[in-house]
Amino acid sequence: GQQVKQSSPSLTVQEGGILILNCDYENDMFDYFAWYKKYPDNSPTLLISVRSNVDKREDGRFTVFLNKSGKHFSLHITASQPEDTAVYLCAANYGGSGNKLIFGTGTLLSVKP
Amino acid sequence: ETAVFQTPNYHVTQVGNEVSFNCKQTLGHDTMYWYKQDSKKLLKIMFSYNNKQLIVNETVPRRFSPQSSDKAHLNLRIKSVEPEDSAVYLCASRLWGAYEQYFGPGTRLTVL
Repeated sequence: GQQVKQSSPSLTVQEGGILILNCDYENDMFDYFAWYKKYPDNSPTLLISVRSNVDKREDGRFTVFLNKSGKHFSLHITASQPEDTAVYLCAANYGGSGNKLIFGTGTLLSVKP
Repeated sequence: ETAVFQTPNYHVTQVGNEVSFNCKQTLGHDTMYWYKQDSKKLLKIMFSYNNKQLIVNETVPRRFSPQSSDKAHLNLRIKSVEPEDSAVYLCASRLWGAYEQYFGPGTRLTVL
C-alpha cells in the first residue's frame, strides 16, 4: 500500500520538554521522508527531511530518525517552545511512477508555557 | 520574491458552476502539483506535471482537469462543482531530481 500513518492526532507538552512524533509507512518504495509544519489557515512548510540512505538528520532542536527495517520515522523536538504549537505532518515520497508525496493525517502539537 | 503563488485565496460558488484556480511558482522549479485538503485536514495528491507533461494523475473525478502552459504555471479547472469539492486546494512545486516540495498558500473553495 501507499499509506503513511501518524498514530497520534494530538500531543501536549510543557515548554522546555522533549517530544517525539511518529510516523509509519507501508512499503519499500518510499525513498524520502519529511516533516512539515502547518499553522491554522496556512500552507505546510518543510521543517526537516531525510533520504532513505540516511538514518538520522539533525537541524538545531529538530532531529528526524529513519528506521527502514521497521518502516518508521520520527521527529524529535528538544527544548520545546510555545511557537512550536502547530500541526505536524509527516510525508514520504513514493518512488514509484511519478514520485509523489504521501502525507499522514497530522499531529496537533500544543506546547504549554 | 521567489515563492509559490495561488489565486484566488477564497472562492464561493454554487453546485454545477465551473471554477478555475491558478498557480505560479517563481522558484525555477519544473515540477508542480495539486493537492486537496479535505474537511478532515488530510492532504492528498491530485495531479503532478513536469515541464508541462502530466506525470501523476490520481483517481479524481473527471470534472477536475489540470492545465499547464509552461513549467512555472499549473492551473486547475473544475467543471460542474459538487458539494464534496469544498476543500482547500494547495499547489506545490519542486525541482526534478530533488525531493523537497514547497507549497502555495492554498485556495479555499466553498460549494453551496
